[in-house]
Amino acid sequence: AQSVTQLGSHVSVSEGALVLLRCNYSSSVPPYLFWYVQYPNQGLQLLLKYTSAATLVKGINGFEAEFKKSETSFHLTKPSAHMSDAAEYFCAVSDRGSGNTGKLIFGQGTTLQVKP
Amino acid sequence: GAGVSQSPSNKVTEKGKDVELRCDPISGHTALYWYRQSLGQGLEFLIYFQGNSAPDKSGLPSDRFSAERTGGSVSTLTIQRTQQEDSAVYLCASSPSDTYNEQFFGPGTRLTVL
Repeated sequence: AQSVTQLGSHVSVSEGALVLLRCNYSSSVPPYLFWYVQYPNQGLQLLLKYTSAATLVKGINGFEAEFKKSETSFHLTKPSAHMSDAAEYFCAVSDRGSGNTGKLIFGQGTTLQVKP
Repeated sequence: GAGVSQSPSNKVTEKGKDVELRCDPISGHTALYWYRQSLGQGLEFLIYFQGNSAPDKSGLPSDRFSAERTGGSVSTLTIQRTQQEDSAVYLCASSPSDTYNEQFFGPGTRLTVL
């Protein structure tokens, strides 16, 4: 069975500072990993995904994530935070067990606050 | 093009009433998922439809929950005899036939059970 752990339910950074949101996964098969962002009162929007190609994945809005098998991690980073990045971020792993439904198993989410 | 739409956006109901939540997936997407987002439980998978195959209902929390998908398109999630713990945001997502593709999410339906 797969699972995801996001370290830190709240992260606060200053505008222009580095953003680092941590995600660790557990999977008995090679994982497919995703980061989604949720703005207030909206649905989830895909930032980026890892599906066993390049380990450094670039996404929208300047975000990127690096898949590290040895650390079972998929941390999300952005070099310089913008006020508009304030949102909730979810890391997820795709179910690749029996049936291969592709359902997403989510972490608990991290709320990113950006201070002016 | 049009994204995933859900209706209603908000639903307030009394305990014990039945509710129906609707999802219109992106045209041509064969896979459809329902998730629930609540403060205590985070984001949880509920049910999955893929084409004409039998749905994966493994995430439904009780037999008060059911869902159908008519004609491989629109889906309805029904909650019977609602309880206060059913209060949550219900999210629908659709995806092309490849199960490892991106899931496109709707804006959700916020259900409040009084």
